[in-house]
Amino acid sequence: DAGVTQSPTHLIKTRGQQVTLRCSPKSGHDTVSWYQQALGQGPQFIFQYYEEEERQRGNFPDRFSGHQFPNYSSELNVNALLLGDSALYLCASRPRAIETQYFGPGTRLLVL
Amino acid sequence: QKEVEQDPGPLSVPEGAIVSLNCTYSNSAFQYFMWYRQYSRKGPELLMYTYSSGNKEDGRFTAQVDKSSKYISLFIRDSQPSDSATYLCAMRDPDGANSKLTFGKGITLSVRP
Repeated sequence: DAGVTQSPTHLIKTRGQQVTLRCSPKSGHDTVSWYQQALGQGPQFIFQYYEEEERQRGNFPDRFSGHQFPNYSSELNVNALLLGDSALYLCASRPRAIETQYFGPGTRLLVL
Repeated sequence: QKEVEQDPGPLSVPEGAIVSLNCTYSNSAFQYFMWYRQYSRKGPELLMYTYSSGNKEDGRFTAQVDKSSKYISLFIRDSQPSDSATYLCAMRDPDGANSKLTFGKGITLSVRP
């Protein structure tokens, strides 16, 4: 049983560009959350998707948007990239009725 | 004041030592408490999960929650070099629809052979 998978593993962009990150949840998991982890910091909650809708959002600007597909996979989109968006972006999944979340390996984004 | 504060690191101990990692929090709504281990350049891996107050043991690891003091701890017995990683505490409120985990900053542990 594959765990949470994310693609790509690494990405380099320049300021002002747009980026799309992808996540496939663990089998049987229907709820996906995205987190941003800056170097030396704990992960910060961006938003949660369930039933293809954004259900909960952290303190992130509208430049951060997402999508969930019928197969529960998800995308994170970031527009107008800033240098400060450089971070490890983590996807976490869980079954709706279960509390524990499982994280993927992350996508490391570098904005130059 | 941050919602979750974690003891600053890094922490270096000899192999076989008992390690104590601690977090304090300010939000009394938190009911679920987790410890994640994160190896360099990897995603966090769930180590321990506790609901409300009390202790939970799993092998060499013991998680302790004291809600009255808003204080949680992770104890690692007989520490091994393979335990060298960053340890993150995380917590959330009891709303079943809520996925948001609030994390501490993390502490990097190094176990010397």
